[in-house]
Amino acid sequence: RKEVEQDPGPFNVPEGATVAFNCTYSNSASQSFFWYRQDCRKEPKLLMSVYSSGNEDGRFTAQLNRASQYISLLIRDSKLSDSATYLCVVNGPTGYALNFGKGTSLLVTP
Amino acid sequence: DVKVTQSSRYLVKRTGEKVFLECVQDMDHENMFWYRQDPGLGLRLIYFSYDVKMKEKGDIPEGYSVSREKKERFSLILESASTNQTSMYLCASLTGVGETQYFGPGTRLLVL
Repeated sequence: RKEVEQDPGPFNVPEGATVAFNCTYSNSASQSFFWYRQDCRKEPKLLMSVYSSGNEDGRFTAQLNRASQYISLLIRDSKLSDSATYLCVVNGPTGYALNFGKGTSLLVTP
Repeated sequence: DVKVTQSSRYLVKRTGEKVFLECVQDMDHENMFWYRQDPGLGLRLIYFSYDVKMKEKGDIPEGYSVSREKKERFSLILESASTNQTSMYLCASLTGVGETQYFGPGTRLLVL
């Protein structure tokens, strides 16, 4: 079983739509969780950390379900500029290295 | 702002050449990482270092070595480049366990 699994998509949504991504992880001892965003031919950049109680940053909401070992990202009121690949990231066995999902591709259309 | 820089954005090398990829971070981070990213395979960890002169193998260390002589600099070495090492190479650093990783802009390496 892969450490971190995501639906690769692509998710094609119209502007203004709400879209949700899920991600599952296999290491129940993981303590740190993140969503990164990666634009085409660019490096990944942190979108938001994911906290146990759930957290929100503007149009973005992240949630963690430890019992089921999954993480979600909700994007409300999608913008064209949200088009990117979203990477689910979980810290690995050593604690230092991070395990990256392969990413979910989002395309927001006019 | 954290800044992670990589020595080259694009690199073309021939099979058998020795290749050096340099990464420098300016935030005094202890931990540094080298990944490669390939379509359909995602990011895969090659090596990481949690201190000067310390290194740990990641998931795919074969064909690579690393050097960390100074805290701010982490080098990835391809001893004898092969065509299957054509990839995007990303360097990252972070302060400690549970913290965010910051990435450099990446080096696109083509091995002919």
